[in-house]
Parts: sequence; C-alpha cells; structure tokens
Amino acid sequence: RKEVEQDPGPFNVPEGATVAFNCTYSNSASQSFFWYRQDCRKEPKLLMSVYSSGNEDGRFTAQLNRASQYISLLIRDSKLSDSATYLCVVNPPGANNLFFGTGTRLTVIP
Amino acid sequence: DAGVTQSPTHLIKTRGQQVTLRCSPKSGHDTVSWYQQALGQGPQFIFQYYEEEERQRGNFPDRFSGHQFPNYSSELNVNALLLGDSALYLCASSLAVSRVIHEQYFGPGTRLTVT
Repeated sequence: RKEVEQDPGPFNVPEGATVAFNCTYSNSASQSFFWYRQDCRKEPKLLMSVYSSGNEDGRFTAQLNRASQYISLLIRDSKLSDSATYLCVVNPPGANNLFFGTGTRLTVIP
Repeated sequence: DAGVTQSPTHLIKTRGQQVTLRCSPKSGHDTVSWYQQALGQGPQFIFQYYEEEERQRGNFPDRFSGHQFPNYSSELNVNALLLGDSALYLCASSLAVSRVIHEQYFGPGTRLTVT
C-alpha cells in the first residue's frame, strides 16, 4: 500500500466554484501533513501545513481526520490562477523525509 | 533572501554516463533533501543530508550518492545512468529544530534527460 494516495483527477471546475480534494495516508502514527502546489514544469511550493485542529488561509481550508487517516483541502471561489497540481504530503514518524501523493490536477475554467 | 538554487537547469546525458547535480539551500537552512520526480508522479525521496552526513535514504540504488559541504550546499551524483533516470531532480532545504524536520522548500529542479 502506498504511503499517500490521492485521486489524480483531473478536476475541471468553473471560476467561482468550490472544490475539495482528499487524500489518505497509511501510517496512522504520522504527525506532519502538508499541501503543496505544483505548476506545470515547476517545483512544488508549500501551500499550507495541516494541523489537527484544521487551518484556514484565505480561500483555502485544510482539515485532518486522524480516525479515517485522510487529509482534505477545500478551495472556495476558485480563480483561474488556482489551476495547478495539488500534492498531498505526509511526514511519517521517525522519518525526516516527505512522502508525496501523485497529485491532483485542477483546471479552473473561465 | 535567496531561496533554494539548483544547477544546472537542464542536462542531457547518454546511458552509462555519470552526472553531478548541485544545490544551495535557502539561507539559514542546514538540511538538504533530494527527490526524483518522474513525469506524472509525485516526488520520490532519494536521501537527506544533515551535518555533512547522509541521514536518511529512500529506496534508490547505490548508483545514487551525495555529499553535503560545510556551507550546507549539496551534490547529487548518479553513476551508470539508465534511461529510467530521466526525471526532474528536486532539492529541498529545511531547518532541523531539535533534529526534527519541518517544512521543506524546493528549488526549481534540474531536468535530466538520459538518451
């Protein structure tokens, strides 16, 4: 089983829509979780960390469900500039590296 | 404040050759991790360097080796290149706080093509 699994999409949504991505992780003892954004042929960029209590940054909300071992990212009022691949990332316990999902491709349509 | 830098940006090599990729971490960071990203996949962890030592290694063969210098910069070496080594190689830097890694910041990557 993969450490992190994501639906690769693609998700095609109109401007202004709300879209949600989920991912699941296999190691129940994992402690650190992140969402990264990657534009085509660019490096991944940290979008937000995911805390147990959930966190919000403007139009973006991240949530963690430890019981079900999944992480979600909600994007409200989608903009054209939100078009990118969103990578779910987990740092398992005792490890100093990150495990990435394959990414979910989002295209926001005018 | 300079971010993570990598060189070269692109590289074309032939099967069997050797390649060296370079990375300078973000100012103030002391840990460098290397990842390989194949087309359509998420980055895969190769190894991490801290205090000039390989601290952790992913599931990559010994053909992949690295080094960290006293100024925290790092090199990734790949020997006996295979076609399957064609990928985007990403360097990520971070700061170890109490030996715990927090957020990692990525450089622009080196796109390696093996023909």
